Parts: sequence; C-alpha cells; structure tokens
Amino acid sequence: DSGVTQTPKHLITATGQRVTLRCSPRSGDLSVYWYQQSLDQGLQFLIQYYNGEERAKGNILERFSAQQFPDLHSELNLSSLELGDSALYFCASSETVTNYGYTFGSGTRLTVV
Amino acid sequence: GQNIDQPTEMTATEGAIVQINCTYQTSGFNGLFWYQQHAGEAPTFLSYNVLDGLEEKGRFSSFLSRSKGYSYLLLKELQMKDSASYLCAVPGGGADGLTFGKGTHLIIQP
Repeated sequence: DSGVTQTPKHLITATGQRVTLRCSPRSGDLSVYWYQQSLDQGLQFLIQYYNGEERAKGNILERFSAQQFPDLHSELNLSSLELGDSALYFCASSETVTNYGYTFGSGTRLTVV
Repeated sequence: GQNIDQPTEMTATEGAIVQINCTYQTSGFNGLFWYQQHAGEAPTFLSYNVLDGLEEKGRFSSFLSRSKGYSYLLLKELQMKDSASYLCAVPGGGADGLTFGKGTHLIIQP
C-alpha cells in the first residue's frame, strides 16, 4: 500500500457520460498530480494541484476538470466521454510543490463502451 | 519541450545483466528519473540522477551523461520478478509535472 488511495479501481461507462475519479494523497502530502496512461500514448501528465490551488496543467482536455478540496483529496471529472478516453488514470502525491519523489496510487481503469 | 526515447522491448535471461537506454531532449535540465511498472500496476520510483555518473542501489544502477542527453538503467542478477516496463522521465511536462517516455518492456526468460 503506497498510501495514495484511488477509487474506484474499475469503471465501465457509456460514451457521452460523465464520471468522477477520486484520490486521497499520502498523509502530509500537499501536491496531487493526475496522469493518464493509454497503450499508445504512455503516461501523460494532466494536471497538478498544490494545497487546494491549481499549480500546473499538462495535456488535459477541456472536457476534463479537476479540483482539490480543503482536506486535500482530489477529484478528476471526465465528461462527454469518448471511446478514446479509455485508459488507466493515476493519481500521485508528493510532500511539496517541487518534490519529484512521487508516490503513485494504484489507478482507476476506465473503460468507455 | 521534452522528448524522450527508449527501446520498446528488450529480452534478457534470468541471472544475467541488462542495460536499458534512454535519450532525452529537454529545455532546462532538472534531473532524470527511472520508474518500474508491472502490468496494470502503479509506477514505482527506482532512481533519480541530477549529476553525471553512476548511482548504484543494490541490483539496480542508473547512469547519467548530461552533455550527451543520455541515461541508462543497469539491472544485475536478473530475476523473473524484474519482468516489467521501465520508464524514463524528466521534469518539465508542466511546472512540476514529469514527462515520461513510453517505457521499455523487459521480458526475462528462464
């Protein structure tokens, strides 16, 4: 157990739908990162939050959004889902804003049918 | 931007040594990471190099040459459990995000 908790582990949904993925960082970690991993693209950085505020954006689509709550857990919202959004979504956390010693959660496998 | 190249797949024999190469191009260097990822599981941190040279950590070592934009991960005394993907990554995908290579799938044969 890495200390980073992601729910749900698996999610199957239809095209056009909206889902929410949840992440609880390790105790004491203020930064949360979201990554998408598909077979052809590898691990892609989506977005980072630090202590409740958006810190950096990567290759995140406009249909996707995220937030970090006062208790530091984070949610990734994916809407108007397409078949190509099927992927593993990982959350990672670190203690500071510039600490690269990420700890990854076990991921949410999203299947869009 | 960042660009990372590593071989797609490698095969090695149990008990042997294997070297996984990574070349990178980045605007501003802030270190290079290696992660191990078993199929369907989370990536786990292996090493971080910021200065040139070899860093040894048990059976795994990582080498960096900043002038050549080159790194390698050396795995010794290979075990079947080392069958996994090995990901090279550099900072800069966002202010603090990592840009990952597509990974090298390492197959260990008996």
